Amino acid sequence: EADIYQTPRYLVIGTGKKITLECSQTMGHDKMYWYQQDPGMELHLIHYSYGVNSTEKGDLSSESTVSRIRTEHFPLTLESARPSHTSQYLCASSATPYEQYFGPGTRLTVT
Amino acid sequence: AQSVTQPDIHITVSEGASLELRCNYSYGATPYLFWYVQSPGQGLQLLLKYFSGDTLVQGIKGFEAEFKRSQSSFNLRKPSVHWSDAAEYFCAVGARDSGYSTLTFGKGTMLLVSP
Repeated sequence: EADIYQTPRYLVIGTGKKITLECSQTMGHDKMYWYQQDPGMELHLIHYSYGVNSTEKGDLSSESTVSRIRTEHFPLTLESARPSHTSQYLCASSATPYEQYFGPGTRLTVT
Repeated sequence: AQSVTQPDIHITVSEGASLELRCNYSYGATPYLFWYVQSPGQGLQLLLKYFSGDTLVQGIKGFEAEFKRSQSSFNLRKPSVHWSDAAEYFCAVGARDSGYSTLTFGKGTMLLVSP
């Protein structure tokens, strides 16, 4: 059973607020990922990390930023939330490059 | 760049009937292929994967998939569907890009199971 956690599960917030979505894993995986998922659309990779102090942008342009100070923790931050940021955000981790374990997701609504 | 096509947005299958979900990929080299399942309100769970070797791979929950290089396909099958299989299914291809390895997902197929 994969142990990867995301908080909050649901968030409704007003435009212009700064938000941080938390993601933690207890499996010791060095690789972590953030995906954005909209209904009826494929998952889009927005950030990934292959280890502490290593972060890369994914194939979908995003105004969010990430940090990887500890192996188990990979938070995503939006400095100023906008309605266009409304989406579901999925965090994943893996030991191998491809076999990824996903968290339950954070559903974000920006009003 | 790699891509994945899942031609069916929705599929409805009667409980106990067989299931086949289609997946076609585009990638210049030998692909790594995956099927994930997502239940409502949940993250994705890996069902099965293909890296090399036997083109018929077995996964969890009684699912299997067959890699056909000539058709660029990796279709998911199950001989007898259970109501608990109702979920969204995503096919994905793994590729290397600038030294990193990432997954590209299809848009998903929603499986509905009728009594």
